[in-house]
Amino acid sequence: DAGVIQSPRHEVTEMGQEVTLRCKPISGHNSLFWYRQTMMRGLELLIYFNNNVPIDDSGMPEDRFSAKMPNASFSTLKIQPSEPRDSAVYFCASSLRLAGDDEQFFGPGTRLTVL
Amino acid sequence: AQSVTQPDIHITVSEGASLELRCNYSYGATPYLFWYVQSPGQGLQLLLKYFSGDTLVQGIKGFEAEFKRSQSSFNLRKPSVHWSDAAEYFCAVGPGGNAGKSTFGDGTTLTVKP
Repeated sequence: DAGVIQSPRHEVTEMGQEVTLRCKPISGHNSLFWYRQTMMRGLELLIYFNNNVPIDDSGMPEDRFSAKMPNASFSTLKIQPSEPRDSAVYFCASSLRLAGDDEQFFGPGTRLTVL
Repeated sequence: AQSVTQPDIHITVSEGASLELRCNYSYGATPYLFWYVQSPGQGLQLLLKYFSGDTLVQGIKGFEAEFKRSQSSFNLRKPSVHWSDAAEYFCAVGPGGNAGKSTFGDGTTLTVKP
C-alpha cells in the first residue's frame, strides 16, 4: 500500500486566501484524523472521522477551518480566509477502525506558510 | 477520558549512551500504549505498542518499553543510541475496547551528541 497520501506537500499563500489540503487514507481504513503541528503548540488533533462521519471537531480552532470526507478515500481540510498564524505542518492520519488499540498511520504532512 | 504526560520536553544524550524517555498516563483501566517517532520533516511512525501480557515490549530500531501499572508509566529505552535516533518521540494512550481513539503526549525531542 502507498500509505497515507497528502497533497500538496508544501503550500505558500497570502493572508486572506483560501487553502485546501487533501488527504487520501490507506485503503480499507475507516477512521481519519487531521492534526496540526507547530513549535509553540506541538501536535494538536483538529478533527476526526469514522466511516466518513465527523465524530469530534472540538479541536478546530475557528470557523475559518472546515473539513469534509465525501467518501472513504478522500478528505479535505479547508482554511478560509487564511491567516499567518495558521502557518504549520498539517498531518492526516488513518486507522483501520476507531478503537483504542488501533495504530494511526500518518502521512508526510503539508507544510503551510501564510504570508 | 485518558491522558498522557511526557515530562521531558528535550533530552540530549551522547552517541552510544543509553536512553530512557518517560511517559506517564492516566486511565481508569488497563490502557493501550504506544510510542511513535517523528524524524525531521516526516510524519509519525509507530515504534512499538503494548496491549497486554509481557510488560516489556520490543519495537523497531532496537527500542523497548516497559509497562509499569503501579507507576502508570510506559518508558521507552534503548541501550545504545545512534545519531540517526535524533527525532521527536511521542507517547500515546488508547482506551480499552472500542471506546475511541488514542491521545498523544506533547512529545520529547531527542538530540544526539557525537
